[in-house]
Amino acid sequence: DVQLVEFGGGLVQPGGSLRLSCATSGFDFNDSWMHWVRQAPGMGLVWISRIISDGSSSNYADAVKGRFTISRDNVKKTVYLQMTSLRVEDTAVYYCARGPSYHGSWMDHWGQGILVTVSS
Amino acid sequence: DIQMTQSPSSLSASVGDRVTITCRASRSILSHLNWYQHKVGRAPKLLMFAASSLQDGVPSRFSGSGSGTDFTLTITGLQPEDFATYYCQESYTTSQTFGPGTKLEIK
Repeated sequence: DVQLVEFGGGLVQPGGSLRLSCATSGFDFNDSWMHWVRQAPGMGLVWISRIISDGSSSNYADAVKGRFTISRDNVKKTVYLQMTSLRVEDTAVYYCARGPSYHGSWMDHWGQGILVTVSS
Repeated sequence: DIQMTQSPSSLSASVGDRVTITCRASRSILSHLNWYQHKVGRAPKLLMFAASSLQDGVPSRFSGSGSGTDFTLTITGLQPEDFATYYCQESYTTSQTFGPGTKLEIK
């Protein structure tokens, strides 16, 4: 079975940092693009970052560019999201998702999500 | 950046009904349009990819169409488990923008 499980969420103060991890199994991680998507309370889904199969290229939404960094470990089959300079508006459930490894592809498997709360 | 809009933003329907949700892109995204179903507290679920391809395991009552800027998701014969929020998403650009969602509620 395909599994994606997020770790590392919690409560952090504004300006603080947090690293999310997404451990995966059940699919060819080395041949997958990995994404992070978030959903703020009462709001819709928002894509925030993507990293290609070999980790050589990544993209970010404007709202997190320069503050968040996506990375991956293809041996551990894990994708990470390092979040710095966190703001109250970063409060959300964060989902990792997997997609096929080509331009124009979709997100066909998702984790259950993990809550990040940014508050003083 | 591409802007994605959806209509309606919410919809009330009954079991057995046929419903259509529309998604519009601010410029052509060819057929790089995907649909997801999301229930509260659950992982989002891919329904359709590349505008009209049904994801494995998704019931055939779901169908998608469109290309360029205008797309539709149709559910023929609503089932109780279909009441959820539906999102379109463009995968033409690196921004991977989602639409604002359509909440489908029981009438």
